[in-house]
Amino acid sequence: EPEVTQTPSHQVTQMGQEVILRCVPISNHLYFYWYRQILGQKVEFLVSFYNNEISEKSEIFDDQFSVERPDGSNFTLKIRSTKLEDSAMYFCASSDKRSNSPLHFGNGTRLTVT
Amino acid sequence: QQQVKQSPQSLIVQKGGISIINCAYENTAFDYFPWYQQFPGKGPALLIAIRPDVSEKKEGRFTISFNKSAKQFSLHIMDSQPGDSATYFCAALDSGGGADGLTFGKGTHLIIQP
Repeated sequence: EPEVTQTPSHQVTQMGQEVILRCVPISNHLYFYWYRQILGQKVEFLVSFYNNEISEKSEIFDDQFSVERPDGSNFTLKIRSTKLEDSAMYFCASSDKRSNSPLHFGNGTRLTVT
Repeated sequence: QQQVKQSPQSLIVQKGGISIINCAYENTAFDYFPWYQQFPGKGPALLIAIRPDVSEKKEGRFTISFNKSAKQFSLHIMDSQPGDSATYFCAALDSGGGADGLTFGKGTHLIIQP
């Protein structure tokens, strides 16, 4: 069964550094998402992306965040200047239709900001 | 108003018993209610979903009950098995309003004792 893959599985970075989290969505999917889960808390929506542009973003997704689909397969989340509170699991997801169709999540990247 | 309140936070059920997890919401525009299952080290996986035009949906041992007037929905796991031990998240979406991002509950850590 096709799956969403995320790399790296764990990233440690120093406060103020830039990080790029990478995702390869399922190949025939058109809608892409990033969610995050702070340890022990709920999963929170960050951003959705379709047709090479952001279609929706949450309050969490401020100017330090950006997303990109640099080629036909990768989908990236960049955090420009990391803060301690950015430490979380970041999940990429994709779907073949918009919004109310099943989301397929990757296994996440654990980001630790020290 | 965007919150989804989930209870209990943790639940222990004997093998063969019924596991019941409850969620409540305020936003009457929500029109899609999925449940996700998450195992340690994995991303959430869609278990079952319901729309507000039906009061119940069953897939195998998993049933969603939906009460539109009370703005509540619940997941029932019949004949619970140790392999069902996981964290369960309810979620909601205003797809008719063009939203993409799911609003998740805080999760229920379910343990099925053999």
